[in-house]
Amino acid sequence: AQTVTQSQPEMSVQEAETVTLSCTYDTSESDYYLFWYKQPPSRQMILVIRQEAYKQQNATENRFSVNFQKAAKSFSLKISDSQLGDAAMYFCAYRAPNFGNEKLTFGTGTRLTIIP
Amino acid sequence: DADVTQTPRNRITKTGKRIMLECSQTKGHDRMYWYRQDPGLGLRLIYYSFDVKDINKGEISDGYSVSRQAQAKFSLSLESAIPNQTALYFCATSDEGKLFFGSGTQLSVL
Repeated sequence: AQTVTQSQPEMSVQEAETVTLSCTYDTSESDYYLFWYKQPPSRQMILVIRQEAYKQQNATENRFSVNFQKAAKSFSLKISDSQLGDAAMYFCAYRAPNFGNEKLTFGTGTRLTIIP
Repeated sequence: DADVTQTPRNRITKTGKRIMLECSQTKGHDRMYWYRQDPGLGLRLIYYSFDVKDINKGEISDGYSVSRQAQAKFSLSLESAIPNQTALYFCATSDEGKLFFGSGTQLSVL
């Protein structure tokens, strides 16, 4: 079974600085999808960024980017110019490549605090 | 209005009670999911449904049942609630590789 590991339960960063959240995963598949979700205090799950394993280029969404290292099975999230609104739980998630099967396996989450 | 609506938002119940959590969606998606979130454990899949006639167990289905009454409705039941079922429950739909979550139901079993 696939597993997703987030080894940092909590992180903090000064406002306007850059922070990187770590995620590793285990799979025997060669093609799959990886996601980062944000959960603010409102508890809504918000998709931050998505990476397809067959794409070598790292995904970016405005201030959010990933460092996808397929051989190392690593998928870290970099947040640049951190803002107070970035404070949240962040979950890394994996999805197998099966057509029509969009079940996600989630990591345990990293709580990010932004220091004003 | 939210595309994926969960009711109730919060619920407190007692051990042994039967409880139903409801989920409805206006997105027209066939695939629906129930996840449970516990502190330090992330989200874990309870049940999922690929269409009205297709229901599948997830990794932690014991103690739960589901009903897919229509494409738009997917309810989760706890037949006899126990305290370790205290958690935040999420319903989600999916399409083209993306999940769309409801705002969650916080359930407390006393």
